[in-house]
Amino acid sequence: EVQLVETGGGLIQPGGSLRLSCAASGFTVSSNYMSWVRQAPGKGLEWVSVIYSGGSTYYADSVKGRFTISRDNSKNTLYLQMNSLRAEDTAVYYCARAEGGSAFDIWGQGTMVTVSS
Amino acid sequence: DIQMTQSPSSLSASVGDRVTITCQASQDISNYLNWYQQKPGKAPKLLIYDASNLETGVPSRFSGSGSGTDFTFTISSLQPEDIATYYCQQYDNLLIFTFGPGTKVDIK
Repeated sequence: EVQLVETGGGLIQPGGSLRLSCAASGFTVSSNYMSWVRQAPGKGLEWVSVIYSGGSTYYADSVKGRFTISRDNSKNTLYLQMNSLRAEDTAVYYCARAEGGSAFDIWGQGTMVTVSS
Repeated sequence: DIQMTQSPSSLSASVGDRVTITCQASQDISNYLNWYQQKPGKAPKLLIYDASNLETGVPSRFSGSGSGTDFTFTISSLQPEDIATYYCQQYDNLLIFTFGPGTKVDIK
């Protein structure tokens, strides 16, 4: 079965760091474009970052310089390292596969990150 | 950066009604436009990719059209299970993805 399972969310103080993980099954992370998308409570979807099959990475301006996307091919897992967290980073974070490079066809269930003192 | 607008922001319709949502890009995005359905507490689900292609397993009452800057998403006959928020999403040659603000669909 093709699926994505995110873990690592939680409550963190402003300025802190957190690493999210996204374990894939049924397909190979390194052969696909993989992204993180977030959704603040009661708000719409916001694209966060993408890593391409070749390894290139891109970020939304709102997280550039603070977040790092990476993958571990041996574990077939995608990561999002989040540093210098702010209250406005509070959201459900989804990992998603971009089949064909454009459309997110497989999504995880999401993991909640709350940045608060 | 390319900006996406959607209209309306919300709508109420009766079961069986035809529902249309529009999405406009601030510049030409060819057909790099996708549509998603999100139900409360759930992850988004891809319905339409590349403006007009129906994702496998998605009911044929959903359809999409358009190219360039103007796109349309249609539910030909609204069903109770279609109550959700719908998002358009573009992908541009700057390797950036952008979602529209969403349209909440309710049953009248």
